[in-house]
Amino acid sequence: DAKTTQPPSMDCAEGRAANLPCNHSTISGNEYVYWYRQIHSQGPQYIIHGLKNNETNEMASLIITEDRKSSTLILPHATLRDTAVYYCIVRVRDNAGNMLTFGGGTRLMVKP
Amino acid sequence: NAGVTQTPKFRILKIGQSMTLQCAQDMNHNYMYWYRQDPGMGLKLIYYSVGAGITDKGEVPNGYNVSRSTTEDFPLRLELAAPSQTSVYFCASSFPDRPGLFFGEGSRLTVL
Repeated sequence: DAKTTQPPSMDCAEGRAANLPCNHSTISGNEYVYWYRQIHSQGPQYIIHGLKNNETNEMASLIITEDRKSSTLILPHATLRDTAVYYCIVRVRDNAGNMLTFGGGTRLMVKP
Repeated sequence: NAGVTQTPKFRILKIGQSMTLQCAQDMNHNYMYWYRQDPGMGLKLIYYSVGAGITDKGEVPNGYNVSRSTTEDFPLRLELAAPSQTSVYFCASSFPDRPGLFFGEGSRLTVL
């Protein structure tokens, strides 16, 4: 699986958009980009995933660059409850299902 | 709908003791996983199962055993507990062909 690089921490003002970057320069053509978050010691929570195209759901938007070497998770209007560690994971969709490897992630602090 | 249920939530063991962490899911998921998370770190996969009667090792299986006799249950057995096994343990489940792992609330284990 391709390795990902994320900044260890970021701050965001409440109500503003939070843009969380992820580099995955060695990603291969059949690898998806997944985002999860972990709120204070709880189990991680799936947010969104994508292959090539930008994706949006009720939680966030995922922007993947044309060369697929990096992506950005966007929380359009961050709230205090979005304070969490955000994990960017790259993985093929194969028979191992969702066997994902979680690295260090980005600790997002949303401030009032 | 309970989702993924883990018991116990907290446990203190003495070195050399054994115990079983229980995990049950009621979503009829084929795949189940055990992860551990050390303080300030990401999650590491211990074991996973793609269906009843089938289990396989993840990244850090040493010191652990699993079984999968039913679709719903995936217990994790610790034999001869060691201080290095002090961690938070997360159980997760998923369908093989849909994105998204569903995590339990975690079991915090301390070995003294």
